[in-house]
Amino acid sequence: KAGVTQTPRYLIKTRGQQVTLSCSPISGHRSVSWYQQTPGQGLQFLFEYFSETQRNKGNFPGRFSGRQFSNSRSEMNVSTLELGDSALYLCASSYALLWQEAFFGQGTRLTVV
Amino acid sequence: GDSVTQMEGPVTLSEEAFLTINCTYTATGYPSLFWYVQYPGEGLQLLLKATKADDKGSNKGFEATYRKETTSFHLEKGSVQVSDSAVYFCALESPGSGYALNFGKGTSLLVTP
Repeated sequence: KAGVTQTPRYLIKTRGQQVTLSCSPISGHRSVSWYQQTPGQGLQFLFEYFSETQRNKGNFPGRFSGRQFSNSRSEMNVSTLELGDSALYLCASSYALLWQEAFFGQGTRLTVV
Repeated sequence: GDSVTQMEGPVTLSEEAFLTINCTYTATGYPSLFWYVQYPGEGLQLLLKATKADDKGSNKGFEATYRKETTSFHLEKGSVQVSDSAVYFCALESPGSGYALNFGKGTSLLVTP
């Protein structure tokens, strides 16, 4: 079956702009999580959605937001981009049962200039 | 709060050498423990997991045992191959974490012929 699909794969934006990233989970998966990966901070949890509801949020400013649609597809938005937002953004989907495997997409590489 | 500490890399080994990557954790309650692997340009893939004390996870020749008394989940492989070159992440998920994975910083492994 198809894996987790993230689009676009690469993105270059200017400081102050906003950006929207998309994630299509594996069919049947209802939980979608987002992570930010940077060389300095490593992998950090952004938020998790299940059935269109945000159930958990990491320690990120309000400029980072997300949503999930009825078909489980998810988007995350970053407004007023800063240079420090440059990172690989990874989406993961799962059946949302405890301790089940999370399947990751290849990520979107965001560069803010 | 919950945290994962893993050994700093990079680790460079010759093919067929023995591999150990140390991982220790701090968590409330009884977390599940995971090892994920990230190949260049890819997202993360689950390598193995353990959900309770003394469980041993294994996959593709890699093993890790959940040691509650030492709060450790060290990754081992008896004979590494060049194709094992990747970044390895130790992670935990606590029952109260809201399905958020808490990752270590990652350990880069390079296996030379």
